Amino acid sequence: DADVTQTPRNRITKTGKRIMLECSQTKGHDRMYWYRQDPGLGLQLIYYSFDVKDINKGEISDGYSVSRQAQAKFSLSLESAIPNQTALYFCATSDGGSETQYFGPGTRLLVL
Amino acid sequence: AQSVTQLDSHVSVSEGTPVLLRCNYSSSYSPSLFWYVQHPNKGLQLLLKYTSAATLVKGINGFEAEFKKSETSFHLTKPSAHMSDAAEYFCVVSGIYALNFGKGTSLLVTP
Repeated sequence: DADVTQTPRNRITKTGKRIMLECSQTKGHDRMYWYRQDPGLGLQLIYYSFDVKDINKGEISDGYSVSRQAQAKFSLSLESAIPNQTALYFCATSDGGSETQYFGPGTRLLVL
Repeated sequence: AQSVTQLDSHVSVSEGTPVLLRCNYSSSYSPSLFWYVQHPNKGLQLLLKYTSAATLVKGINGFEAEFKKSETSFHLTKPSAHMSDAAEYFCVVSGIYALNFGKGTSLLVTP
């Protein structure tokens, strides 16, 4: 089984809808991250969490919110989806003592 | 602030020839540097990581990278390209709170 899983893997939604992307990890890491990937732009950080009670905004947090339900679970929500949020979303984890990040398979989101 | 610049957005090589993917970094302190690879419709996989232990870092699948502080570079190389190497490659530098990604280099391998 994969160490970092994301659900759903693909999602199509309409403008204005609220959606949630979920991430779970079995690596036992404290730190979790959400990124979005757009063609030609690399990955940009949306939110990060260093433990269950620690949530921080990344460079492109507008229009997004997150919830850290447990050490192993970190969800990303789009409160009112808009077309320019169409992207590939990645969840990642890392150990507090190491900077290597381990990525999930990604969620491909299309907002119509 | 920590950042990386990948000097080529696309690189094309013939199978069996050497691969060179170029990356320059900027950091206000001694950084950790990474190369990640993303195959089509796949997630990101760590190729290798530099953390100051040795300037020449060997990674998976025959890739290696050399940290050159005087040139602020961390170029990725492989002696002989394989068709399965075709993918997107990201140079990454550790930031204060998270990783900072380059924009990626798309590697095309032709027969």
